[in-house]
Amino acid sequence: QVTLKESGPGILQPSQTLSLTCTFSGFSLSTYGMGVGWIRQPSGKGLEWLANIWWDDDKYYNPSLKNRLTISKDTSNNQAFLKITNVDTADTATYYCALGGNYFDYWGQGVMVTVSS
Amino acid sequence: DIAITQSPSSVAVSVGETVTLSCKSSQSLLYSENNKDYLGWYQQKPGQTPKPLIYWATNRHTGVPDRFTGSGSGTDFTLIISSVQAEDLADYYCEQYFVYPLTFGSGTKLEIK
Repeated sequence: QVTLKESGPGILQPSQTLSLTCTFSGFSLSTYGMGVGWIRQPSGKGLEWLANIWWDDDKYYNPSLKNRLTISKDTSNNQAFLKITNVDTADTATYYCALGGNYFDYWGQGVMVTVSS
Repeated sequence: DIAITQSPSSVAVSVGETVTLSCKSSQSLLYSENNKDYLGWYQQKPGQTPKPLIYWATNRHTGVPDRFTGSGSGTDFTLIISSVQAEDLADYYCEQYFVYPLTFGSGTKLEIK
């Protein structure tokens, strides 16, 4: 059974770095063809893809966030990570991690992140 | 970037009716090497996580009722929900995964009359 669960700080201040963790089970990110993505959704708005990481450590980022994103993984602990630097109020959203390098088959429950001074 | 346009933005139907949701891409999502369209659909019920419905434009995800049908190819796609049920109240999003950056449509809100 595949499960994913996101964790994060809940609230942080503008200009800080947001660090998110996705802890998963039921698959391994060291298995050929596996990938994990991060997607976010501001309250009442649509979905925005942020980044993907693949089993071979290949990484892809949404260029709209320029160089603020860093995705990584810890295969031994079944975790994936996303860092967003220099956050502002526009980064307030629910952040999801999901299994799949492109089409997302399984999603975590999401973690709400608020950026506020 | 590939732009995805969904229409209508919202639609209201009665239980038992059929509804058609549209998703249009600014570029073809058909990969000629494998003849697959890199287009998926998701359902997001109020307060819930997005749930996968359709992949490769026409394939139902495991457990999805057969009243949900994906069709189309190239740049024009549709999601048809036959005999709408009250539980189908949700936002529906399409996503292109033909090329990075992955992009989603802005969604269609399905309301029940």
